[in-house]
Amino acid sequence: QVQLVQSGAEVKKPGASLKVSCKASGYTFTGYFIHWVRQAPGQGPEWMGWINPNSAATNYAQKFQGRVTMTRDTSISTAYMELSRLRSDDTALYYCARAVYSGSLHWFDPWGQGTLVTVSS
Amino acid sequence: DIQMTQSPSSLSASVGDRVTITCRASQSISVYLNWYQQKPGKAPKFLIYAASSLQSGVPSRFSGSGAGTDFTLTISSLQPEDFATYYCQQSHSTPFTFGPGTKIDIK
Repeated sequence: QVQLVQSGAEVKKPGASLKVSCKASGYTFTGYFIHWVRQAPGQGPEWMGWINPNSAATNYAQKFQGRVTMTRDTSISTAYMELSRLRSDDTALYYCARAVYSGSLHWFDPWGQGTLVTVSS
Repeated sequence: DIQMTQSPSSLSASVGDRVTITCRASQSISVYLNWYQQKPGKAPKFLIYAASSLQSGVPSRFSGSGAGTDFTLTISSLQPEDFATYYCQQSHSTPFTFGPGTKIDIK
């Protein structure tokens, strides 16, 4: 079955960097964009950006421009999201999600299990 | 950025109730509207795309409607497994924004 499995929880100090991995299985990795979404405690999800695993093209939300880098390794069907200069308000669950397209429509299905990131001194 | 709002933010209901959640976009998004269900400690689960198209495998008691700026998600007869938080999300333009969620709990 289609599955995204993310790396484990992380605790980081303010100013540090974070790299989360998302390993895909059950489908052709290069055939679907991977999006990254985070969810702070008690909040709705927040979209961070996408990567096209086929071309490595990326599109980041303005809010994260300059701090986020999305990459992939097609040999192991894995996408990565790196966030630098971490602050306490970056504490959140970070999800990867596969984007399914139908014409100009798209939706996120499935999602990874989430990676809890805690930023604390 | 397109802002998404939802109402109510929470509601209490009983098994068998008909429940309707409203989602509003700050500008027209045609039918570029998706719905997700999230249970505590779990990732969101995709339910509905294009405002009203049910994902395969989603029970027919779920339905969506709307276009432009106003959308609804209806559960015709609430089941025990439906108690969760529901989010709308626009896929019209980046950044792809989500609503703040509507939590359905047991009355």
